[in-house]
Amino acid sequence: QVTLRESGPALVKPTQTLTLTCAFSGFSLTSSGVCVTWIRQPPGKALEWLALIDRDDDKYYSTSLKTRLTISKDTSKNQVVLTMTNMDPVDTATYYCARMLLYYDRNGYYIYDAFDIWGQGTMVTVSS
Amino acid sequence: SSELTQDPAVSVALGQTVRITCQGDSLRSYYASWYQQKPGQAPVLVIYGKNSRPLGIPDRFSGSSSGNTASLIITGAQAEDEADYYCNSRESSANHRVFGGGTKLTVL
Repeated sequence: QVTLRESGPALVKPTQTLTLTCAFSGFSLTSSGVCVTWIRQPPGKALEWLALIDRDDDKYYSTSLKTRLTISKDTSKNQVVLTMTNMDPVDTATYYCARMLLYYDRNGYYIYDAFDIWGQGTMVTVSS
Repeated sequence: SSELTQDPAVSVALGQTVRITCQGDSLRSYYASWYQQKPGQAPVLVIYGKNSRPLGIPDRFSGSSSGNTASLIITGAQAEDEADYYCNSRESSANHRVFGGGTKLTVL
């Protein structure tokens, strides 16, 4: 059974750095076509994609948040960590991690992907 | 463009068919995936790729794509389908992902 669970502080102060951990089980981040991604959702608002990391340790970030985000993995612990610097009240949101599967054609070319399994999310409030 | 556009709200009568659309330049190159989110819950994948459903998703959910528009179609909508629906796709110019603004589906 594939599961992911986010953990981190529920409350951070403005200008602080947020560190979130995604602990997963039931799959390996060393497998082909497997990534882990982070998404957030402010209260009452839409989902926003943040970052992803793949088995080759390639990392991709939201253009608007790139300067503030760092994603990393610890394959031996089955964990992915997201840090976000200089937190602001507008960063108040539920933060989700999800497994992302990449699908390829018979020639090995990317066709599509999907966030197939999500964690339950962790709510982070930014307030002094 | 890195944006995906969805209608904010759509309604459907119980048992009828509804189409939820997602528009964006990236959809000319990449398939969309679709996520259902009910209040207080994490999103759930309902459609991905050309028209694939994960195990456990009812076959009344289907997907299609044409040009810059992807569609999620619910044939015979049920009360339990009332939720927010989000599309997602890879961006055209980078290995990033982007979500649409979401569509709130009301089943009347």
